[in-house]
Amino acid sequence: GQQVMQIPQYQHVQEGEDFTTYCNSSTTLSNIQWYKQRPGGHPVFLIQLVKSGEVKKQKRLTFQFGEAKKNSSLHITATQTTDVGTYFCGREDGGSQGNLIFGKGTKLSVKP
Amino acid sequence: ETGVTQSPTHLIKTRGQQVTLRCSSQSGHNTVSWYQQALGQGPQFIFQYYREEENGRGNFPPRFSGLQFPNYSSELNVNALELDDSALYLCASTTSGTGGLGYTFGSGTRLTVV
Repeated sequence: GQQVMQIPQYQHVQEGEDFTTYCNSSTTLSNIQWYKQRPGGHPVFLIQLVKSGEVKKQKRLTFQFGEAKKNSSLHITATQTTDVGTYFCGREDGGSQGNLIFGKGTKLSVKP
Repeated sequence: ETGVTQSPTHLIKTRGQQVTLRCSSQSGHNTVSWYQQALGQGPQFIFQYYREEENGRGNFPPRFSGLQFPNYSSELNVNALELDDSALYLCASTTSGTGGLGYTFGSGTRLTVV
C-alpha cells in the first residue's frame, strides 16, 4: 500500500503559537489515524477519522478529514512545551483493522 | 487493564546472529502488529497477526518471521542479523472492530547489531 505523505517534516514554534501538520494520500482512504510520539517514547493513539469532512476536537487539538478522504490535518492551538514530539498519521491498508501504514511524521519543537 | 508489554527493552547482537523479541498484547486485543522504527523515521510495518495467522506483511525479507500464540501474545524472530536491522522494534495491538480505538503500542525493544 502507498505511504501517506506528511508535511512539514519539522516545525519549530514559539510557545503559544499555533501548529498544523498535513497528511496527504493519492488514493481515497477508508480512515486516517493520528498518533503522537514523545522523544524517546512510543506512538500513542490520538484519534481516528472515518467520515468525509469530519472534524474532531480534543482540547487544543483539531483534526480534520478532507471531503475527498484523501487528506487530513492536525491543528494545535496555542502550543505548549508538552506538545513536543513527532506526530504521525497512519492509513489502514486493506480496510478496517488492516495493516496500519504510517507517514514519516512531523517533528514539533516548542521554544518556551 | 494492562497495556502492551515488550521484552527485552534493549538488546545487543552480533551480525549474523538470530534474535527473538516478545510482546504481550493488551487485554482484550486479538490482533498484533510489529513495526521497525529507525532513528528519526516513522514506524515501518513488518507484519500483523490475527488469530495466530499472518494477516498482512510489509516489505521485509523472509528472515523476519513471527508467531502469535493462543493468548494473543506474539514473537518477532529475525535471522541472520544485519547492521541495518538496528532499530526500535515496536509491537502494537488492537481488536477487530476497533470502533475508532486505534492501536496500542508497547515501549519497544531497542536492538543494536554490531
